[in-house]
Amino acid sequence: NAGVTQTPKFRVLKTGQSMTLLCAQDMNHEYMYWYRQDPGMGLRLIHYSVGEGTTAKGEVPDGYNVSRLKKQNFLLGLESAAPSQTSVYFCASSYSASGLYNEQFFGPGTRLTVL
Amino acid sequence: KQEVTQIPAALSVPEGENLVLNCSFTDSAIYNLQWFRQDPGKGLTSLLLIQSSQREQTSGRLNASLDKSSGRSTLYIAASQPGDSATYLCAVYEGYSSASKIIFGSGTRLSIRP
Repeated sequence: NAGVTQTPKFRVLKTGQSMTLLCAQDMNHEYMYWYRQDPGMGLRLIHYSVGEGTTAKGEVPDGYNVSRLKKQNFLLGLESAAPSQTSVYFCASSYSASGLYNEQFFGPGTRLTVL
Repeated sequence: KQEVTQIPAALSVPEGENLVLNCSFTDSAIYNLQWFRQDPGKGLTSLLLIQSSQREQTSGRLNASLDKSSGRSTLYIAASQPGDSATYLCAVYEGYSSASKIIFGSGTRLSIRP
């Protein structure tokens, strides 16, 4: 099992450009999450999904869109990148939202720089 | 609103010492608490997850405790080694019926001096 994978690992964008980050998991997890991590801070939730075809806003959703067309994939889009979106982006997934199986498993991260 | 605090932000100790990292949270209605390790420029490595019904978890030289009533968790590292140098993040799980959301602390950057 590869677990949670993220593509790409690094990216540099110019202000106003768009891009999509891909997260894939092979653990048949229902729940998937996108976080961003800024220097000296913990991770903050951007968007999440409770199942195929569903998405919901997290703590810092502005400037991002997401889609969950397939259960195993969760896409994070930046329509018009801004320097404030320079960050490290982490994807995570979990089998459930409660009980014994809600532990979240994290991908290796995508380092994004917006100039 | 849940807030997770980790103090100190940075800690440096000589090799071989036992040490304790602290995590506090403002709302005791949490589901789980998890400790992660993050090496510079890398992703998160899960160390220990404590479920709300548990009071501690152990793995090798690591021991994590949870006291929900006081809003505190500690990560104890025994016989520290230079390889333990990393940032340690504490995270609490919220939400019982909807998607379980994690609130992270800002981390403690640990440096073990040889």
